[in-house]
Amino acid sequence: EPEVTQTPSHQVTQMGQEVILRCVPISNHLYFYWYRQILGQKVEFLVSFYNNEISEKSEIFDDQFSVERPDGSNFTLKIRSTKLEDSAMYFCASSYVAGGGVTGELFFGEGSRLTVL
Amino acid sequence: QKEVEQNSGPLSVPEGAIASLNCTYSDRGSQSFFWYRQYSGKSPELIMSIYSNGDKEDGRFTAQLNKASQYVSLLIRDSQPSDSATYLCAVINSGNEKLTFGTGTRLTIIP
Repeated sequence: EPEVTQTPSHQVTQMGQEVILRCVPISNHLYFYWYRQILGQKVEFLVSFYNNEISEKSEIFDDQFSVERPDGSNFTLKIRSTKLEDSAMYFCASSYVAGGGVTGELFFGEGSRLTVL
Repeated sequence: QKEVEQNSGPLSVPEGAIASLNCTYSDRGSQSFFWYRQYSGKSPELIMSIYSNGDKEDGRFTAQLNKASQYVSLLIRDSQPSDSATYLCAVINSGNEKLTFGTGTRLTIIP
């Protein structure tokens, strides 16, 4: 069964360092997402990406965050200068398009746990 | 702020009984509603989607939607210990494409 894969599964970094989280969405999906979940809290939307550009982003997704689809398969989230409060599980998700729009039926990867010291 | 509200629980249900999970949402224009299951330390997994008022059944799961009351529920019949997880209600609000999650209800099935 097709799945979304994420690397690394766990990354520890020092505050102020740059981090890149990688995702390979399901191959025939066209919408890609990043969500994060701080320990014990809810799953929060960061950004959606469609047709090689950001389609929507949250207020969390400030200038220190960026996303990129550098080739036909990878989808990355970069955090330029990490802060302590960026420590969280970051989930990549993808979905197909139906009726010309999003479906809300997201397929999530297993997550990348980021720990900022 | 367009919110999705759930009772965080924990909700404890005996094995074999019906578990009832509830969710309310603030955006009256929302059209798409989802239930995801999240096991501890794992990623969310889609269980059910519902778009129209009424009930939608899939195996042991029934989703119920009442748009007038802005209320979505999930019933799990014949609850099994493997159903123990956090259940996330999620909504696509009007005017945007993102899926907004509630805080989740932690369900424990007692053998």
